Amino acid sequence: DVKVTQSSRYLVKRTGEKVFLECVQDMDHENMFWYRQDPGLGLRLIYFSYDVKMKEKGDIPEGYSVSREKKERFSLILESASTNQTSMYLCASSFPIQAERPYEQYFGPGTRLTVT
Amino acid sequence: AQSVAQPEDQVNVAEGNPLTVKCTYSVSGNPYLFWYVQYPNRGLQFLLKYITGDNLVKGSYGFEAEFNKSQTSFHLKKPSALVSDSALYFCAVRDVRKGYQKVTFGTGTKLQVIP
Repeated sequence: DVKVTQSSRYLVKRTGEKVFLECVQDMDHENMFWYRQDPGLGLRLIYFSYDVKMKEKGDIPEGYSVSREKKERFSLILESASTNQTSMYLCASSFPIQAERPYEQYFGPGTRLTVT
Repeated sequence: AQSVAQPEDQVNVAEGNPLTVKCTYSVSGNPYLFWYVQYPNRGLQFLLKYITGDNLVKGSYGFEAEFNKSQTSFHLKKPSALVSDSALYFCAVRDVRKGYQKVTFGTGTKLQVIP
């Protein structure tokens, strides 16, 4: 089974702090994604990566950056946390398009971040 | 740009009754459509997908979805609901740009199965 793990289930940070959210997958997936989930808004894509050191902005990248130095690890960085970044953050990974199961995403359990 | 709409924030159904969770899509070209489920305090899990072929797609946990091209819909169904089906359900559509693995998710529908 694919396993996607996230470094924390719950996190509380202060406004202005730099925040790192870590995600690790064990299936050698090329593609990795960061979403935030808010009630009534569903999942919104922040950034995704289709290879090591490669990244693409999603729908709401402002205030965030990402890092992918190794294939299995994808980090989301909040440069200066703000209260409007209080949310549930979900990481996902997927097989490449050429694989048997393209586009199916495998999600981690999520990190609930509160910024005070 | 592609999008999906889930018109119901919440659906209530009695245990044992059939359930339907609605989804409509908007995409140019052939749609690749998905359903995911999120159980309380857990991440999303893939349920099923439609890429091509039969309009009725079968997935995990007894769920199925019906693709209707003329109505641009992809409704999730189950013949007999269980209390354990209570969860948040998301419809999604893939990005049409060639080579992109991105999908766009709907806003979610909370399914409540009443004992």
